[in-house]
Amino acid sequence: NAGVTQTPKFQVLKTGQSMTLQCAQDMNHNSMYWYRQDPGMGLRLIYYSASEGTTDKGEVPNGYNVSRLNKREFSLRLESAAPSQTSVYFCASPSLPGLAGGLSTGELFFGEGSRLTVL
Amino acid sequence: AQSVTQPDIHITVSEGASLELRCNYSYGATPYLFWYVQSPGQGLQLLLKYFSGDTLVQGIKGFEAEFKRSQSSFNLRKPSVHWSDAAEYFCAVGARADGLTFGKGTHLIIQP
Repeated sequence: NAGVTQTPKFQVLKTGQSMTLQCAQDMNHNSMYWYRQDPGMGLRLIYYSASEGTTDKGEVPNGYNVSRLNKREFSLRLESAAPSQTSVYFCASPSLPGLAGGLSTGELFFGEGSRLTVL
Repeated sequence: AQSVTQPDIHITVSEGASLELRCNYSYGATPYLFWYVQSPGQGLQLLLKYFSGDTLVQGIKGFEAEFKRSQSSFNLRKPSVHWSDAAEYFCAVGARADGLTFGKGTHLIIQP
């Protein structure tokens, strides 16, 4: 899907367990994003990384941590999963590398999604 | 802060009829605007985008959208819908590296 790959596609966790969602993009672009999608809520930004070595909180960061391992990879970690984190998670990267000052002129390409259920 | 409003949670349209999905945005500068479509169990696919220039933009699958700055709107239209158009549609706004802001989506139902 336009060079964004995320794993796993499905995961069931018990409350309190931890897990990491992996994302990789092969477009060699600076920015990467993690969104969560919940019914009736659209997509909400959890964290983003504007460039290698930087990460910033989005709209709903609580309960999550991220790592921008290198330019290609951006992982999302749930340290102690809660039922409220049951959701579909999407990783994304822009179609273009972006301009100076953080401007992005491209749309986002999304991974296929990771469906997480926390019991 | 930027925001997107999609006033219609659900819309039902008969196959072959015309369609208009509404989108209103709030943004502090010239926005970049997008419409995405999501079929059940699938990821998001870009339908069309507006960056600048002609305010009527054409997209894939016969969709078009018109940017109206005075109304802060970016409504999606299709002259004749097909059963395969049944899906969730998302409007989004953004122009910076801090990502896109999405509306809550409109669920499109096609009646035979």
